[in-house]
Amino acid sequence: GAGVSQTPSNKVTEKGKYVELRCDPISGHTALYWYRQSLGQGPEFLIYFQGTGAADDSGLPNDRFFAVRPEGSVSTLKIQRTERGDSAVYLCASSPTVGTEAFFGQGTRLTVV
Amino acid sequence: GNSVTQMEGPVTLSEEAFLTINCTYTATGYPSLFWYVQYPGEGLQLLLKATKADDKGSNKGFEATYRKETTSFHLEKGSVQVSDSAVYFCALSDRAGGGNKLTFGTGTQLKVEL
Repeated sequence: GAGVSQTPSNKVTEKGKYVELRCDPISGHTALYWYRQSLGQGPEFLIYFQGTGAADDSGLPNDRFFAVRPEGSVSTLKIQRTERGDSAVYLCASSPTVGTEAFFGQGTRLTVV
Repeated sequence: GNSVTQMEGPVTLSEEAFLTINCTYTATGYPSLFWYVQYPGEGLQLLLKATKADDKGSNKGFEATYRKETTSFHLEKGSVQVSDSAVYFCALSDRAGGGNKLTFGTGTQLKVEL
């Protein structure tokens, strides 16, 4: 595709449920990043991948959050036992490699009710 | 740790007015600095960047100069247009290209009126 694609664009889930958010990076981009943006705030770093491996996951808030990128392309952010405080826009970005410009998707708006 | 502070919005200007959005940062080492823009209904886009002290980034009439002595990277435009209405984010990174982690400010909403 032409840009970074994130699905779904909106997700409403009940407290305690499990959710998966998907990111399709730009073809050929080896670096992939996840950020979380709460209302009225700037994006906050969660994790980034170089290829299939998580190079830095220091931004994941707790062990309910996990992300994978098994084939070095599509990535899935997984959130277990969702809480109302997890409600935010989750942004994905990709870049040709680490150290080059990152291109952002439009995000998935997650609402936990 | 790294942090970015930018002026709160919303900032409301008339078309053709001069724009300044202040941004200051705290970082260890020598970060790269960025301005991102988010137009309504769209994803974040890189507007401009500067990778070392005294560098000036520029794009679409916007400019920002990396001032290490004042740890600032203020965004300026001489004459804004209605189409510049958006949310602007100042950010820094420890890597020149913005890879690795980006640390963002809280964003400043700009509204330009006729």
